[in-house]
Amino acid sequence: GENVEQHPSTLSVQEGDSAVIKCTYSDSASNYFPWYKQELGKGPQLIIDIRSNVGEKKDQRIAVTLNKTAKHFSLHITETQPEDSAVYFCAAPPGSYIPTFGRGTSLIVHP
Amino acid sequence: KAGVTQTPRYLIKTRGQQVTLSCSPISGHRSVSWYQQTPGQGLQFLFEYFSETQRNKGNFPGRFSGRQFSNSRSEMNVSTLELGDSALYLCASSKGTGQETQYFGPGTRLLVL
Repeated sequence: GENVEQHPSTLSVQEGDSAVIKCTYSDSASNYFPWYKQELGKGPQLIIDIRSNVGEKKDQRIAVTLNKTAKHFSLHITETQPEDSAVYFCAAPPGSYIPTFGRGTSLIVHP
Repeated sequence: KAGVTQTPRYLIKTRGQQVTLSCSPISGHRSVSWYQQTPGQGLQFLFEYFSETQRNKGNFPGRFSGRQFSNSRSEMNVSTLELGDSALYLCASSKGTGQETQYFGPGTRLLVL
């Protein structure tokens, strides 16, 4: 089955800095790569996603890059703010219907 | 469009009891997946239902079961509860066509004493 590794498990930055979270996957059939943000007491919510036919996608301060050859994709958050503090999950759906999630990255943004 | 709803939001049970959790998907979504989330373990996939049939199953014991109704609402049942079953149980809905966004509910936090 699909194997997704996510790093780092914890990321601590100062407000205004950039944050980068990386994920690698194993199944070549994966074509859709979402990123979820989970705030305390809530379920994960999609923040950005990318399909395999593009290499980069941006939405204001967040961006995702994809390298299908190397089988890794990354989440980039620029100008971090305290409200960005949360747990972030990547996912890589294999050929079957259910995505495999990374173990999560706890992002802490210090004011 | 209303989001995914889960009931109840919090639950306290004792060992040996059973529990049923409910999930109402987004209107039009035919797939409902269930996940167990515990500290340090991330999101562990339990099972997925599509059009009232279990389509995928994770690596959990038979004490964990589920079903889906004709209106796509789903229930998850855990029998003979163990202390280790304490977790946040999340359901997620999608259209079910594969490699698509899953929309998560707020979860049901289960505490087993």
